[in-house]
Amino acid sequence: DGGITQSPKYLFRKEGQNVTLSCEQNLNHDAMYWYRQDPGQGLRLIYYSQIVNDFQKGDIAEGYSVSREKKESFPLTVTSAQKNPTAFYLCASSSGLGQSNEKLFFGSGTQLSVL
Amino acid sequence: AQSVTQPDIHITVSEGASLELRCNYSYGATPYLFWYVQSPGQGLQLLLKYFSGDTLVQGIKGFEAEFKRSQSSFNLRKPSVHWSDAAEYFCAVEYGNKLVFGAGTILRVKS
Repeated sequence: DGGITQSPKYLFRKEGQNVTLSCEQNLNHDAMYWYRQDPGQGLRLIYYSQIVNDFQKGDIAEGYSVSREKKESFPLTVTSAQKNPTAFYLCASSSGLGQSNEKLFFGSGTQLSVL
Repeated sequence: AQSVTQPDIHITVSEGASLELRCNYSYGATPYLFWYVQSPGQGLQLLLKYFSGDTLVQGIKGFEAEFKRSQSSFNLRKPSVHWSDAAEYFCAVEYGNKLVFGAGTILRVKS
């Protein structure tokens, strides 16, 4: 079945540690996105990539980094510079927004907590 | 800046009653509008979308939404709520190559 897989489901970070969240899709989508979700704040865009080897900052990119070496994969690293990393992280993909039949497909999320 | 407002943080309705979730947006051009639903600990599922044409849009699970340009609104409705509809609902507007989401409305259904 086609879809988006995020792993792990739960992740714990120690002070000063970098952690990487995995996102893999087999939908052959060009565009991939990372969102952060905090209670009562909806989803905020961290980074997005519309094509392999290219990505752009979203609204809250500070303290995060990404790579897009393969079409199927868009890992997110939460660095030690992110002082408040506890949140639910959602990855999404689409074949390209702005088209009349387009929509985002979401993964099931990763809950990151600080020890 | 583009924004989406969902004025109700929580809504509680009785099973079988009608539902309306409010959404207002701020966007200069004709927007692409979406409603998503999220169950706890899960990703988001698209309920419906509006791009152009008929302002009343039908979605999955018996939901519909009406685009009102004069009010900058895209309210979600369902005539009869089921207990399984309890979830968090997000309105979103697309601009450029990004979606901007509202803060969400948590729907509780009482029997």
